[in-house]
Amino acid sequence: QTVVTQEPSFSVSPGGTVTLTCGLSSGSVFDSYLPTWYQQTPGQAPRTLIYNTNSRFSGVPDRFSGSIVGNKAALTVTGAQADDESDYFCVLYVAGLWVFGGGTKLTVL
Amino acid sequence: QLQLQESGPGLVKPSETLSLTCTVSGGSINSANSFWDWFRQPPGKRLEWIATIHYSGFTHYDPSLKSRASISVDLSRSQFSLRLSSVTASDTAVYYCARHSGQSGDFSWGQGTLATVSS
Repeated sequence: QTVVTQEPSFSVSPGGTVTLTCGLSSGSVFDSYLPTWYQQTPGQAPRTLIYNTNSRFSGVPDRFSGSIVGNKAALTVTGAQADDESDYFCVLYVAGLWVFGGGTKLTVL
Repeated sequence: QLQLQESGPGLVKPSETLSLTCTVSGGSINSANSFWDWFRQPPGKRLEWIATIHYSGFTHYDPSLKSRASISVDLSRSQFSLRLSSVTASDTAVYYCARHSGQSGDFSWGQGTLATVSS
């Protein structure tokens, strides 16, 4: 069974830069897995930030960017702001199935 | 601007069938490059993909739910629906509908609807 891994938590200072990662329990993440990142605050619907590794969804600020780093997908937040404090999830398209990671809780302090 | 709105019963009894509908506005449900999805999120857990449909009739299901799930589209009402049979408490979740382009993770999401399975 495919397991998508993410750091459980991360913290960043206001104005700082942080990179969250999204990996596979076995194997590397490739562009063909269509790595997608979304932001979700408790009780709210997901908000897609980055899709297909590095495409920014409509209306998403350019301080959010995506890439492949090593064998993982990565979401970088540059110039973090207080309202970036949220949960961040990735999803990969693996063998025809959309598989979600467990999410990273990002704290801005 | 594309908008998706879920609707459902809120409360379903164990062993019954959960029926959910997503109404699409601000876009065409019979767009060739649009695929329509159902996801769910049990309390405190990660999102789970359930099924995808294209207006042409193409469907795709998560294998773990395929025997109980059925996704359909109603072009005349610009809606697509999910039926999940033989529900148990573990099917309690917020259910989201979404849209994505072919070979893309560019999901546009609805606001979600809570479905609780309880007697």
